[in-house]
Amino acid sequence: KQEVTQIPAALSVPEGENLVLNCSFTDSAIYNLQWFRQDPGKGLTSLLLIQSSQREQTSGRLNASLDKSSGRSTLYIAASQPGDSATYLCADLTQGGSEKLVFGKGTKLTVNP
Amino acid sequence: NAGVMQNPRHLVRRRGQEARLRCSPMKGHSHVYWYRQLPEEGLKFMVYLQKENIIDESGMPKERFSAEFPKEGPSILRIQQVVRGDSAAYFCASSPMADTQYFGPGTRLTVL
Repeated sequence: KQEVTQIPAALSVPEGENLVLNCSFTDSAIYNLQWFRQDPGKGLTSLLLIQSSQREQTSGRLNASLDKSSGRSTLYIAASQPGDSATYLCADLTQGGSEKLVFGKGTKLTVNP
Repeated sequence: NAGVMQNPRHLVRRRGQEARLRCSPMKGHSHVYWYRQLPEEGLKFMVYLQKENIIDESGMPKERFSAEFPKEGPSILRIQQVVRGDSAAYFCASSPMADTQYFGPGTRLTVL
């Protein structure tokens, strides 16, 4: 059974700081891994999707990496801004016929001005 | 191409009533997924449907919950005789071919 863990559960940083959010998964047979952003009371916004054959994806100030062998993914946010404050979720799609995403509980990020 | 649509966005029910949540997938998407987010919890998979078929319902509670995705119209998640523990955000996602899932804004169910 796939389990996804995100550390830390909450993170508070000053504006401008670079930061890393961590995601680990127990079953390395994944199809892809996705990072989402969720604002309070809102839906999910997909940030980056990494296919199992890829090592990283970049979009603007965001960079996500994937290491299947160690069961880890990281989301790097450069030059953080107060508008980055949100909960960040990682989820993976496991191989083997199941089409369900397995989510971590998220990291709640606060960027202080 | 409009995104995944869910309605209502907010739903209030009293204990014992029925809740019907609707999801219209993106145009051309034939795969629909329902997830539930309980307060202070991560999103949990409930059910995966294709047109007129339930593919995987391993995350659905055994009683009171049902889902359908008819040939015409939206997917429906139905909760009978709601209890306070059903209060949560219910998210629908759709996919064109069981790959990338695109999420709707969610329906927030409150049971009084």
